[in-house]
Amino acid sequence: EAQVTQNPRYLITVTGKKLTVTCSQNMNHEYMSWYRQDPGLGLRQIYYSMNVEVTDKGDVPEGYKVSRKEKRNFPLILESPSPNQTSLYFCASSFGTESPLHFGNGTRLTVT
Amino acid sequence: AQTVTQSQPEMSVQEAETVTLSCTYDTSENNYYLFWYKQPPSRQMILVIRQEAYKQQNATENRFSVNFQKAAKSFSLKISDSQLGDTAMYFCALPHNAGNMLTFGGGTRLMVKP
Repeated sequence: EAQVTQNPRYLITVTGKKLTVTCSQNMNHEYMSWYRQDPGLGLRQIYYSMNVEVTDKGDVPEGYKVSRKEKRNFPLILESPSPNQTSLYFCASSFGTESPLHFGNGTRLTVT
Repeated sequence: AQTVTQSQPEMSVQEAETVTLSCTYDTSENNYYLFWYKQPPSRQMILVIRQEAYKQQNATENRFSVNFQKAAKSFSLKISDSQLGDTAMYFCALPHNAGNMLTFGGGTRLMVKP
């Protein structure tokens, strides 16, 4: 089944404790990206990748890191999480700008 | 910079009736795509419909259709014969050309009432 797999689904952590949210797609998509969803703001882009070893900042990259060592995986890393990073996070992938995004099921992150 | 605006934070409709969700946007591109995504309580993001800006014909997918006004930069979603399963957040979205990222509107929460 074609899908984007994102883990974990829920995560509660404390300020400053490094964490990683994993994302993997099995559709051989070139494009992968991360979004955060906050009430009233819709989804905002954090980082995106156009291919292996090619990543770039989105609209809200501060406090986040990504890597794209393999085509299928695109983890999101929070080196020192803060409470303002409490949000719902989505990973997404696609073939290109004309193609719809395929989304993971989301990760609800709470930083206390 | 691109912007996408959904001016209706919440809407409700009676089952079997028709509802229209509005979306306006701003872009300097001439050829682009527009999307509507649905997010039910399960929080999955599901593609509802896609419109290509160079096509004059409005896209239709079963009970879902769009009213695309390119000059006015308006992209509204019409849901006919509303069903309880249509209860969800609806997001309008416009792609960046770089990296296939989407710019999303703030969303409209739709409640379908029995």
